[in-house]
Amino acid sequence: NAGVTQTPKFQVLKTGQSMTLQCAQDMNHNSMYWYRQDPGMGLRLIYYSASEGTTDKGEVPNGYNVSRLNKREFSLRLESAAPSQTSVYFCASSPGRLTPQHFGDGTRLSIL
Amino acid sequence: KQEVTQIPAALSVPEGENLVLNCSFTDSAIYNLQWFRQDPGKGLTSLLLIQSSQREQTSGRLNASLDKSSGRSTLYIAASQPGDSATYLCAVANSGGYQKVTFGTGTKLQVIP
Repeated sequence: NAGVTQTPKFQVLKTGQSMTLQCAQDMNHNSMYWYRQDPGMGLRLIYYSASEGTTDKGEVPNGYNVSRLNKREFSLRLESAAPSQTSVYFCASSPGRLTPQHFGDGTRLSIL
Repeated sequence: KQEVTQIPAALSVPEGENLVLNCSFTDSAIYNLQWFRQDPGKGLTSLLLIQSSQREQTSGRLNASLDKSSGRSTLYIAASQPGDSATYLCAVANSGGYQKVTFGTGTKLQVIP
């Protein structure tokens, strides 16, 4: 079983460029999440989707947009990348509400 | 605002030793608490999930306890092995919605053969 799959694994962008991080899960989970992990700060929730067709802001949503394309896929878009968005991004899913339980291996994003 | 603290930030022990990792939180009105393992360059793997009504959970050599009144949880690892080397994070979920899950910054464990 693949679990939660994120693409790409690494990406380098220039300031002002845009890109979309892809996430797909094959566990038929209702809830999906996007987190960022920065040194010394723990994981912080960017956006979440409680179910197909719904999305909501988390703790640090500024500069990001999301799309829950279907039950399997949840994408994160940076419209105009900034150096402060250099981070490791994790997608997660869970069968029920509230608590993420299954994580992808992350996308390491550097913005110059 | 919930704050989650994990001390120490790093720990090095010889193989075979029993060890305890600590997690403390400031708001005791929690929904659940979860322990994760993170290997370098990888995502988080859920180890144990303790609901607010539970006192502990066990899986193999791992035992996690929860004391809401004191705002503390411990992860006990028995007979540590080099393969246990990783960063261990705790995450506390408060009632009130998805955005109410707060992660600690983790304890990096090294088990020396």
